[in-house]
Amino acid sequence: DAKTTQPNSMESNEEEPVHLPCNHSTISGTDYIHWYRQLPSQGPEYVIHGLTSNVNNRMASLAIAEDRKSSTLILHRATLRDAAVYYCILRDSGGGADGLTFGKGTHLIIQP
Amino acid sequence: EAGVTQFPSHSVIEKGQTVTLRCDPISGHDNLYWYRRVMGKEIKFLLHFVKESKQDESGMPNNRFLAERTGGTYSTLKVQPAELEDSGVYFCASSQYTGHLNTEAFFGQGTRLTVV
Repeated sequence: DAKTTQPNSMESNEEEPVHLPCNHSTISGTDYIHWYRQLPSQGPEYVIHGLTSNVNNRMASLAIAEDRKSSTLILHRATLRDAAVYYCILRDSGGGADGLTFGKGTHLIIQP
Repeated sequence: EAGVTQFPSHSVIEKGQTVTLRCDPISGHDNLYWYRRVMGKEIKFLLHFVKESKQDESGMPNNRFLAERTGGTYSTLKVQPAELEDSGVYFCASSQYTGHLNTEAFFGQGTRLTVV
């Protein structure tokens, strides 16, 4: 799977929007962009995924650049419960390894 | 509906002993994955089952690790004999089988294994 680059950490205030960036300049045409998060002492949790168009669900929005070389996970109104490590992962729908390739992710800190 | 369940939540064993971890996936999920995070490292994929068949075991570290999924329901991961470097958190995940991999994976809480 192609590599992603994320900031090590970000800090935001409660009830404010959060924009988590991810660079994936070597993305291929068959790579989907997945986001997972891991809250303290829990297993990873699916957040959202997309291919080309922006996606929205109850948890977040995913904005994908037109050239697909970057994407942004948007939490519209952060709560303390959103403090977690967020992973941006590319998954090849055309083959490749079956598992998710977790990097270091972005440690999101939410200030009350 | 119950999520992915892993047992035990914690296990402390001596080097050279055997440990078996169990994962119960969400009912109806044919895909089952094992991952682990060893101290200070990233979460790494170990293997993938579709029903009872091993689809990809490219991440298994060595032959001391044996995963099974008899009957295509729950899965076990046995470490025999355990070594100090096997210490870490072992996660199991499951997802529906749709013919492609871009489906939501549900993870368990993990089993924390400590080898002393």
